[in-house]
Amino acid sequence: SQQGEEDPQALSIQEGENATMNCSYKTSINNLQWYRQNSGRGLVHLILIRSNEREKHSGRLRVTLDTSKKSSSLLITASRAADTASYFCATDKIGSARQLTFGSGTQLTVLP
Amino acid sequence: NAGVTQTPKFQVLKTGQSMTLQCAQDMNHNSMYWYRQDPGMGLRLIYYSASEGTTDKGEVPNGYNVSRLNKREFSLRLESAAPSQTSVYFCASSLGQVETQYFGPGTRLLVL
Repeated sequence: SQQGEEDPQALSIQEGENATMNCSYKTSINNLQWYRQNSGRGLVHLILIRSNEREKHSGRLRVTLDTSKKSSSLLITASRAADTASYFCATDKIGSARQLTFGSGTQLTVLP
Repeated sequence: NAGVTQTPKFQVLKTGQSMTLQCAQDMNHNSMYWYRQDPGMGLRLIYYSASEGTTDKGEVPNGYNVSRLNKREFSLRLESAAPSQTSVYFCASSLGQVETQYFGPGTRLLVL
């Protein structure tokens, strides 16, 4: 069963615009991670946010976590064509034997 | 430093055939994982190895076996392939459990 669900499933924007993706989850977590997957490739880790953190930045990425709403958002600012990829959230559920559970992803297309 | 490598890249099997997917990492990581990814879905954990000498079932272990051969290598075996096992298989590793995971490029398996 999917712990994390991303929203929207697909997003298309123009280069230079900001892209926001959301992730909702069902049970309490230790941390939440975001990964990127380019077409036909393996996943690449972007950022990890712990349950006691509310916001984290890495370059053009900004991640927020609201544990009361069981949700996270990933903001990519000033998007580029190279940001075109699928983005997945992954959660480490408390009591899950420390496994990561991945959502079904948001397909982001950045048009030049 | 190759990171996580997987062989083969592609494989076509007939129903009932067996095969082993190989995975190796050169980052001295303790934990290793096998996932499958089906179209439009996130990754689902098949098996994982928290440390050398241990293996545990994930979300979808039926029809698979694994071997943690040593700290570097973690193989996935399909004893009698079924069409439902057509998927893309990813191996990943991490220093400890539920830390950043590093993914291989994937093996695309088609079972006819």
